[in-house]
Amino acid sequence: GAVVSQHPSWVICKSGTSVKIECRSLDFQATTMFWYRQFPKQSLMLMATSNEGSKATYEQGVEKDKFLINHASLTLSTLTVTSAHPEDSSFYICSVRNPGGWVNEQFFGPGTRLTVL
Amino acid sequence: GESVGLHLPTLSVQEGDNSIINCAYSNSASDYFIWYKQESGKGPQFIIDIRSNMDKRQGQRVTVLLNKTVKHLSLQIAATQPGDSAVYFCAEAQYGQNFVFGPGTRLSVLP
Repeated sequence: GAVVSQHPSWVICKSGTSVKIECRSLDFQATTMFWYRQFPKQSLMLMATSNEGSKATYEQGVEKDKFLINHASLTLSTLTVTSAHPEDSSFYICSVRNPGGWVNEQFFGPGTRLTVL
Repeated sequence: GESVGLHLPTLSVQEGDNSIINCAYSNSASDYFIWYKQESGKGPQFIIDIRSNMDKRQGQRVTVLLNKTVKHLSLQIAATQPGDSAVYFCAEAQYGQNFVFGPGTRLSVLP
């Protein structure tokens, strides 16, 4: 399977600050990446689909101005949580879609834990 | 509607016993199903997948069964080990569409 990395693995920030999370596809070029959010003891919720070279597609209820996604290269997508608040504290996970495999194959990163004080 | 829940059922099994984790999916048009294992503080790890044209697929110590009639998916783990303790998620997908994850089941392996 693909190797996907995320940075940082854990970030603690003050309320009102912005945090950038990076997702990298290390062994193939990913035209499509996905961002998920997972609250404690809950399932993964898709936030947005990140498409290289174009605007991200956001799921209903996800504020695009608050969760900025940039997919400037085939190996990197970034998620910026702007003006973070304690309710944004969560586990953020990215995944990449394998362009050469079954159309829905996804490989997940290790996740980034965001804690907003 | 799509199956995304807020509760986390728990399954406790003795080490060495077989485990069966169940999942009900909601979209009859889904044609691809995956089981993921998620350990605490980590991202989901692929275990096994199955396409809708199959009803059974086996991996190493794991078997996935698909019953499309009742929209039910199960994961069987043979000779469960302490390292199998984790949360297990099923996910369903339709060709070209995104994954929808189930609520997850926590598997606890007792010594």
